[in-house]
Amino acid sequence: EAGVAQSPRYKIIEKRQSVAFWCNPISGHATLYWYQQILGQGPKLLIQFQNNGVVDDSQLPKDRFSAERLKGVDSTLKIQPAKLEDSAVYLCASSSTTGSTQYFGPGTRLLVL
Amino acid sequence: QKEVEQDPGPLSVPEGAIVSLNCTYSNSAFQYFMWYRQYSRKGPELLMYTYSSGNKEDGRFTAQVDKSSKYISLFIRDSQPSDSATYLCAMSALGETSGSRLTFGEGTQLTVNP
Repeated sequence: EAGVAQSPRYKIIEKRQSVAFWCNPISGHATLYWYQQILGQGPKLLIQFQNNGVVDDSQLPKDRFSAERLKGVDSTLKIQPAKLEDSAVYLCASSSTTGSTQYFGPGTRLLVL
Repeated sequence: QKEVEQDPGPLSVPEGAIVSLNCTYSNSAFQYFMWYRQYSRKGPELLMYTYSSGNKEDGRFTAQVDKSSKYISLFIRDSQPSDSATYLCAMSALGETSGSRLTFGEGTQLTVNP
């Protein structure tokens, strides 16, 4: 079974630029999560989707971050404009609606200069 | 105050040692407790999953939860160099099947020396 796929793996941008990350969850997983992991810290949930609906986006900085999961499968996370403090690893995870485990992708490492 | 506090690393032990990793938490609503392992430049992977208080054993790994003290532990017996990774505790107020948010500790970096 293929795992959670993410791209790109690495991205370097300058502050005030925009960037987008893509996630393809495990086939059949209805729930998709985006986490931000700053160096030396644990992951922090940004947004959670159930199919194509948002379940929790309370920790998403909505003035600059947006995410969508239009067809209930793939998802994109966008930052516009980026700030220096957005430098982090962005992790995507998915879980089955009847399962109890979140499976994480390898993450996208973002550096904002 | 952070909801979840994890003992800071880094932790370096010789091969074969018993390793103890710990977290404390402040939110009494947490009922589900997990330990994730994260290798360098990889995503976290679930090691242990425990509901409420008690112990759970899986091979060389034992997870303990003491809800009265708001304290959880992960023990690794006969540690191996392949156990070298960052260990993250995580907690949620509801079961993951309901999609509840996971709150993670900051992680403890473990190195097992041959």
